[in-house]
Amino acid sequence: SQELEQSPQSLIVQEGKNLTINCTSSKTLYGLYWYKQKYGEGLIFLMMLQKGGEEKSHEKITAKLDEKKQQSSLHITASQPSHAGIYLCGAARVVGNKLVFGAGTILRVKS
Amino acid sequence: NAGVTQTPKFQVLKTGQSMTLQCAQDMNHEYMSWYRQDPGMGLRLIHYSVGAGITDQGEVPNGYNVSRSTTEDFPLRLLSAAPSQTSVYFCASSRHGPGQGGNTIYFGEGSWLTVV
Repeated sequence: SQELEQSPQSLIVQEGKNLTINCTSSKTLYGLYWYKQKYGEGLIFLMMLQKGGEEKSHEKITAKLDEKKQQSSLHITASQPSHAGIYLCGAARVVGNKLVFGAGTILRVKS
Repeated sequence: NAGVTQTPKFQVLKTGQSMTLQCAQDMNHEYMSWYRQDPGMGLRLIHYSVGAGITDQGEVPNGYNVSRSTTEDFPLRLLSAAPSQTSVYFCASSRHGPGQGGNTIYFGEGSWLTVV
């Protein structure tokens, strides 16, 4: 199993609906990154969370970090077709000085 | 993806050929790294560098070579391409390594490599 588990693997939502993507780590979280990727393109940085209980927002996307549960959630309010893509969470690891990634969540927004 | 430039964007290689993927950043970042992305496996670290002249192996280093002669550039060399190296390759850079925390990690737009 992967160090970072993302759920769901994919989802289809109607435009205007809210949605949540979860990222759970099997190890202690020191820093959690969220990226968005459109098919055939690179990774776009969304947010980075470092402290337990931290919450950040950018436009209609909010991310939270629950240090005790070793989990982060990404919430999109009133989804739009522009939100469609692959959402990736990455956890900073001290050992190896690296980011480890989840497998990604594919989001489709139906208009 | 401002500041991290990868070339080429697409490449087809024959088994046994060698090639170099280029990566350059203009943000004066100390930390640079290469990942490969494969379906269902997420991104995996190949090699990384914490500064000019210093490189280290990641999770999947076999078949790849790197060097860091300048702060700006971090090329990835495939020594003898194999079909298992068909993948999408991403270069990333940041002020410090992920293990040190507190910094944004920027990714390039990717290089699609097919080995036939």
